[in-house]
Amino acid sequence: AAGVIQSPRHLIKEKRETATLKCYPIPRHDTVYWYQQGPGQDPQFLISFYEKMQSDKGSIPDRFSAQQFSDYHSELNMSSLELGDSALYFCASSLRQGRNSGNTIYFGEGSWLTVV
Amino acid sequence: GENVEQHPSTLSVQEGDSAVIKCTYSDSASNYFPWYKQELGKRPQLIIDIRSNVGEKKDQRIAVTLNKTAKHFSLHITETQPEDSAVYFCAATAPLVSGTYKYIFGTGTRLKVLA
Repeated sequence: AAGVIQSPRHLIKEKRETATLKCYPIPRHDTVYWYQQGPGQDPQFLISFYEKMQSDKGSIPDRFSAQQFSDYHSELNMSSLELGDSALYFCASSLRQGRNSGNTIYFGEGSWLTVV
Repeated sequence: GENVEQHPSTLSVQEGDSAVIKCTYSDSASNYFPWYKQELGKRPQLIIDIRSNVGEKKDQRIAVTLNKTAKHFSLHITETQPEDSAVYFCAATAPLVSGTYKYIFGTGTRLKVLA
């Protein structure tokens, strides 16, 4: 079965540079989530989109922005990169269910960002 | 704000023994509770989930229990095997107005199964 596709898998950037991560959700999934995971930490929620609209916002820095496109893929744009932005960035997708059904989210393989 | 407490942070068990991981959530609107297993450097993968209208669910060696009154849910792994070694995350999810869900993850439990 098709999974969540993220690209690139690895990237190295210098401080103050910009980076863009891409996420292609599971086919038919309409919701995308972005998470940041530092070494030994739990995934920290950044932002989510449903039907191309921002659905929820977490601890996303102002230097970061994201959007979901008409084909449901999403991009996370990170500017003025700092050393502390080095982390594994996960995208996850789900299909909106009823309010009492629970939306299972499925994670991509992640994008490793190293800021030097 | 809402949070999920997860205990213990590390757990070592002998192969064949049982392992129990506990989570407590604060958002009373939470109604769906998935558990994820994450191996080093890999993505979290769903291993079992439970909805608020169910008190217990079992899938082979893995079971999850939910006490809504106490806002408490637990993961039970029986007959542990070395390949069960990983970090386990619980999550409490609550519906948003948009119809999507807000996920709040626990801080993770590093399980080590000793051969």
